[in-house]
Amino acid sequence: AQKVTQAQTEISVVEKEDVTLDCVYETRDTTYYLFWYKQPPSGELVFLIRRNSFDEQNEISGRYSWNFQKSTSSFNFTITASQVVDSAVYFCALISNSGYALNFGKGTSLLVTP
Amino acid sequence: GAGVSQSPSNKVTEKGKDVELRCDPISGHTALYWYRQSLGQGLEFLIYFQGNSAPDKSGLPSDRFSAERTGGSVSTLTIQRTQQEDSAVYLCASSPPRLAGFNEQYFGPGTRLTVT
Repeated sequence: AQKVTQAQTEISVVEKEDVTLDCVYETRDTTYYLFWYKQPPSGELVFLIRRNSFDEQNEISGRYSWNFQKSTSSFNFTITASQVVDSAVYFCALISNSGYALNFGKGTSLLVTP
Repeated sequence: GAGVSQSPSNKVTEKGKDVELRCDPISGHTALYWYRQSLGQGLEFLIYFQGNSAPDKSGLPSDRFSAERTGGSVSTLTIQRTQQEDSAVYLCASSPPRLAGFNEQYFGPGTRLTVT
């Protein structure tokens, strides 16, 4: 069975604060892929990053960074110097070789206030 | 280029009626997925098409749900005898040919279905 847990339901921060969104996953497969998607108020899911299970290197893209740790089955997402436009629901998801569909976590709603 | 498009954007229907939801994937994408997003259940997988292969229907919640994909492009999701619990946002996604591992999926804007 596969499962993605995003324990934080809602987070509220003030602009310019750093914020980390947690994602913990479960899978029996050794080959799998992890994803983060952003869903702004407009509703459309926007792809942010894909990471495969053999690549534990952290990644940074502008103000966004991701920390993948197989030892703790976590794939956390950090936004540095948050901005109001970062307000959205963020989903972590998993696909493994035993399936084709994205298994999504419940999402974390991030509110960034001025 | 153009992204995934879905129509209609909103659909209100009476309980018991049939509805058809349409998805137009990104040109050249061979894989197409349908998901459903509702408050209580989050994002759920419904069905997956890959090229000319038989679809993976393992996520369809009941036999009232069906989907087809014509010519390897446009897909239609049909819900027969709609029930109030079918109310949700239906999302379509597509991804390019699989070269190495699983590619990211690109989502459309969704169809918000309300069953009254």
